[in-house]
Amino acid sequence: EAGVTQSPTHLIKTRGQQATLRCSPISGHTSVYWYQQALGLGLQFLLWYDEGEERNRGNFPPRFSGRQFPNYSSELNVNALELEDSALYLCASSLEQGLTAFFGQGTRLTVV
Amino acid sequence: QQQVKQSPQSLIVQKGGIPIINCAYENTAFDYFPWYQQFPGKGPALLIAIRPDVSEKKEGRFTISFNKSAKQFSLHIMDSQPGDSATYFCAASMSGNTPLVFGKGTRLSVIA
Repeated sequence: EAGVTQSPTHLIKTRGQQATLRCSPISGHTSVYWYQQALGLGLQFLLWYDEGEERNRGNFPPRFSGRQFPNYSSELNVNALELEDSALYLCASSLEQGLTAFFGQGTRLTVV
Repeated sequence: QQQVKQSPQSLIVQKGGIPIINCAYENTAFDYFPWYQQFPGKGPALLIAIRPDVSEKKEGRFTISFNKSAKQFSLHIMDSQPGDSATYFCAASMSGNTPLVFGKGTRLSVIA
């Protein structure tokens, strides 16, 4: 069974541009979570989607947004990129809300 | 968002030693406590998880000890090996209601 897959693996953008990151959850998982992991820091919760709806949002500005599609895949959009947005963005999925989350390999976003 | 406090930030042990990583939480409504292991360039992988109705859980060389009254839980790695060198994260959630909240991580180095 395929795990959580994220694309692209690496992304380089210029300050002010927009970035779109994609995530495919494990088959059968309906919850998708996005986390930001900046260098040397822990995992900061960004967004949680379940059954196509946004369930919860972390303490991030509105330029961080996303959506979940009918097939439960998800995308994270970051508008007006800032240098501080450079980080590893991790997507996770779970079968039951708030329980065991399985992570993808992440997308390394670099803003220059 | 409720915090999970993790210590130490980094840890160096000799091969065969028993590193211990501690976490403390504030929200008594948390009812699910997993530990994740992350190698450089990879997404976190679930190691072991515990519910507050048990005080200890073992899986292979990994043991979680849970103290509900003190609101603390810890990870012990028996007979540690150089291959265990990684960053370890504790987390907590209210199942069905919240996404996982992570500690800031412990970088473990096991030296031969």
